[in-house]
Amino acid sequence: AQSVSQHNHHVILSEAASLELGCNYSYGGTVNLFWYVQYPGQHLQLLLKYFSGDPLVKGIKGFEAEFIKSKFSFNLRKPSVQWSDTAEYFCAVNAVLFAANNLFFGTGTRLTVIP
Amino acid sequence: KAGVTQTPRYLIKTRGQQVTLSCSPISGHRSVSWYQQTPGQGLQFLFEYFSETQRNKGNFPGRFSGRQFSNSRSEMNVSTLELGDSALYLCASSLGAGGSETQYFGPGTRLLVL
Repeated sequence: AQSVSQHNHHVILSEAASLELGCNYSYGGTVNLFWYVQYPGQHLQLLLKYFSGDPLVKGIKGFEAEFIKSKFSFNLRKPSVQWSDTAEYFCAVNAVLFAANNLFFGTGTRLTVIP
Repeated sequence: KAGVTQTPRYLIKTRGQQVTLSCSPISGHRSVSWYQQTPGQGLQFLFEYFSETQRNKGNFPGRFSGRQFSNSRSEMNVSTLELGDSALYLCASSLGAGGSETQYFGPGTRLLVL
């Protein structure tokens, strides 16, 4: 079965600090990987996705993520966070083999950016 | 283009009742998936519909069911409500099925079971 681990439950950073949120998945086959963000009072929005190709993917608002297959990881990064990045971040995966839209989500990481 | 809409946004029910939630996907999207979000379990997949057919189902009891109409709108139903069914129910739509699709989420329906 597929599962996703996000080890950081709550991260607190000052503005301009660099961000890296960890995401590890457990599935031996080919996967599609996603990062979603949920801003306070808003619905889930896609930040970025990886299907194939260049393992370094860039998303909206300056976010990027690197897929490292050997480590089953898909960590999210941003070089300089802003107060507006305060939100909850979810990593998600689905297995290409099953050709299904069912996403397996991590438990989320709450990011608080202090001005 | 309008986003995914879900009705109602908030709902209060009592144990034993049943509830129906509605989801209208983005125009042109044919796949609708449902998720349950709770503080304890996080986001969990319920089921996926494409072209009026259920393609996948998560690990939920048979009290949870759904359907999709010819216009791609979807409903989910929960019968014999339990306290543990209190959650935010999210609907997501995508152009097609198959896994390599971006899913766009609606605002959710918050269900409280008393």
